Amino acid sequence: SQQGEEDPQALSIQEGENATMNCSYKTSINNLQWYRQNSGRGLVHLILIRSNEREKHSGRLRVTLDTSKKSSSLLITASRAADTASYFCATDPTGANSKLTFGKGITLSVRP
Amino acid sequence: DAGVIQSPRHEVTEMGQEVTLRCKPISGHNSLFWYRQTMMRGLELLIYFNNNVPIDDSGMPEDRFSAKMPNASFSTLKIQPSEPRDSAVYFCASSLGGATEQFFGPGTRLTVL
Repeated sequence: SQQGEEDPQALSIQEGENATMNCSYKTSINNLQWYRQNSGRGLVHLILIRSNEREKHSGRLRVTLDTSKKSSSLLITASRAADTASYFCATDPTGANSKLTFGKGITLSVRP
Repeated sequence: DAGVIQSPRHEVTEMGQEVTLRCKPISGHNSLFWYRQTMMRGLELLIYFNNNVPIDDSGMPEDRFSAKMPNASFSTLKIQPSEPRDSAVYFCASSLGGATEQFFGPGTRLTVL
C-alpha cells in the first residue's frame, strides 16, 4: 500500500475559505513534502518539512507534522480559484535509498 | 532555467512498437527520476539515477522497460514492445540529491493502441 495516504480524496470549497488536507504514513521518515499538480501538468513542489520540525509556513500555506501520529496536514488559507488542483504528499522513508513515495492525491476544487 | 524538458509531449503508437521517451534534467542536478502516473495506480516511481548511475529500478514493471542515463544531461526510458496497459503519463524529475525537492517535467502522455 502507499506510504503516504491523503485524506479526503476530494474537497470542494468556496473561494476565501480555508482548505485542510491530511496525510498519514506508515514508517519513520526523514522528511515529508507536499506537491501540487494542475490538470495536464507536472507536479510542483510546495513545501518540505523535516522530521524534527513540527510546523512550517510558506505564504498562504501552513504544514504541520506529527511524527508520533505519523501524520501531516496542509492548510491553504483564503483559498482562490487558482488553487484548484490535485495535492500530493510525499514521504522520504528512512533507509529507503533517498527516494520519495507519493500518495494518490487530493482533488481540491475552489468555487469562485 | 528551462526546467526539466521532456519529449515528446504526446505519443500514440500501436501495440508491439518500440517507444522512447526522453528527458533533459535541470543543469547541476545529480538525481533523476522516472515516474508513471495512471488513474488506477497513481504516481509510481519506475527508476532513480544518482550521478548517472541507476540506484533503484525496483519499480520497473518488467523487462520490456529499460532506462539509460549516458550523461548528466540526458536520459531515456524505452518500452519494447509496448502494450496497451503501458498507456499512462510518464514524468521525469530531477533534484539536487535524492529526497530533496524534486522538479518535474511536463510529462509525456503515451497512448498504446
